[in-house]
Amino acid sequence: GESVGLHLPTLSVQEGDNSIINCAYSNSASDYFIWYKQESGKGPQFIIDIRSNMDKRQGQRVTVLLNKTVKHLSLQIAATQPGDSAVYFCAEKKGSNFNKFYFGSGTKLNVKP
Amino acid sequence: NAGVTQTPKFQVLKTGQSMTLQCAQDMNHNSMYWYRQDPGMGLRLIYYSASEGTTDKGEVPNGYNVSRLNKREFSLRLESAAPSQTSVYFCASTSGAISNQPQHFGDGTRLSIL
Repeated sequence: GESVGLHLPTLSVQEGDNSIINCAYSNSASDYFIWYKQESGKGPQFIIDIRSNMDKRQGQRVTVLLNKTVKHLSLQIAATQPGDSAVYFCAEKKGSNFNKFYFGSGTKLNVKP
Repeated sequence: NAGVTQTPKFQVLKTGQSMTLQCAQDMNHNSMYWYRQDPGMGLRLIYYSASEGTTDKGEVPNGYNVSRLNKREFSLRLESAAPSQTSVYFCASTSGAISNQPQHFGDGTRLSIL
């Protein structure tokens, strides 16, 4: 079946470095994508989203890139901080009017001081 | 703002017992969802309610029932709990009135079935 996946289950970075977390999706009909952050014992927290008619979107210290040609999504975190340590996962929505999402399994980001 | 509130936060059940997980949102959202999260896997949709008065099955509905009590509340019931239902359960909501809106999640219910 179609699924949302992640290339790396764990990513370790030095504090102050930039982080890049990747996500591959297989559903060409998906029109909306979200990155979530999940801290231990908490629910997923919205970070940033992007619609399929865009290639790039920037937020505060975060950037999402969408490459529809290869069905690839990435999250870039600038100047990674210890508070960024968490599990990050992407979600995709198939083209429809209803907000129904499919989630990847997640990448754990460890930020070393 | 409380956002999405789930109760209880933790629960231990014996096989065969029943239980209802509660979820309430205060954002005036139309759509609500129940997911389960298992180690190494993404969130899987159990049931959802596109709007008050409607409910539909998701990917993994077997063994569960839901009730959309009103616009604010969406409950998940396990009629006869099984060890395979040990998981972390998340409730989420979204506007529903507008397409392409992110979901807002509660902090989960950690359920263990012995």
